[in-house]
Amino acid sequence: DGGITQSPKYLFRKEGQNVTLSCEQNLNHDAMYWYRQDPGQGLRLIYYSQIVNDFQKGDIAEGYSVSREKKESFPLTVTSAQKNPTAFYLCASRTGEFQPQHFGDGTRLSIL
Amino acid sequence: RKEVEQDPGPFNVPEGATVAFNCTYSNSASQSFFWYRQDCRKEPKLLMSVYSSGNEDGRFTAQLNRASQYISLLIRDSKLSDSATYLCVVHTGFQKLVFGTGTRLLVSP
Repeated sequence: DGGITQSPKYLFRKEGQNVTLSCEQNLNHDAMYWYRQDPGQGLRLIYYSQIVNDFQKGDIAEGYSVSREKKESFPLTVTSAQKNPTAFYLCASRTGEFQPQHFGDGTRLSIL
Repeated sequence: RKEVEQDPGPFNVPEGATVAFNCTYSNSASQSFFWYRQDCRKEPKLLMSVYSSGNEDGRFTAQLNRASQYISLLIRDSKLSDSATYLCVVHTGFQKLVFGTGTRLLVSP
């Protein structure tokens, strides 16, 4: 079945540590996105990529980094510079400019 | 003014009721619109796209009013399984989708 796979489902970060969240899709979608959702709040865009080897900052990119070396993969690194990383992280992709996004099932990140 | 605004609810309705949610958006150049459903601690799932002429999918009807800059979602014959948070999503241009904070629906027996 085609879809978006995020891993791990749960992740714990120690102080000063960088952690990487995985996002893989086999939908052949060009555009991929990373969002953060805090309790009771809407989704906020961290980074997006429209094509391999290209990505753009979203509204809350500080403390995060991404790469897009393959069409299928768009990993997100939460760096130690992100002081409040506890949130639900969602990866999404879509096929075209005016099409809806489809989401992976998310990664919950907490601080130890 | 927020780019996309929704009444957070919760809307408490009995089974079988009809319930409607509105969502307003601020960017008049917005091109496409969607409703998503999000269950507690799960990812959002696409419920339906919203077309200019309005569209229906079973018990769900979506409407777009460009002049007043709002979209609506009507749910008829509510089921217990409809209990969720409904997210309004607006494409505001150049790869940017803006998500509302969601309207929570609780359907009771």
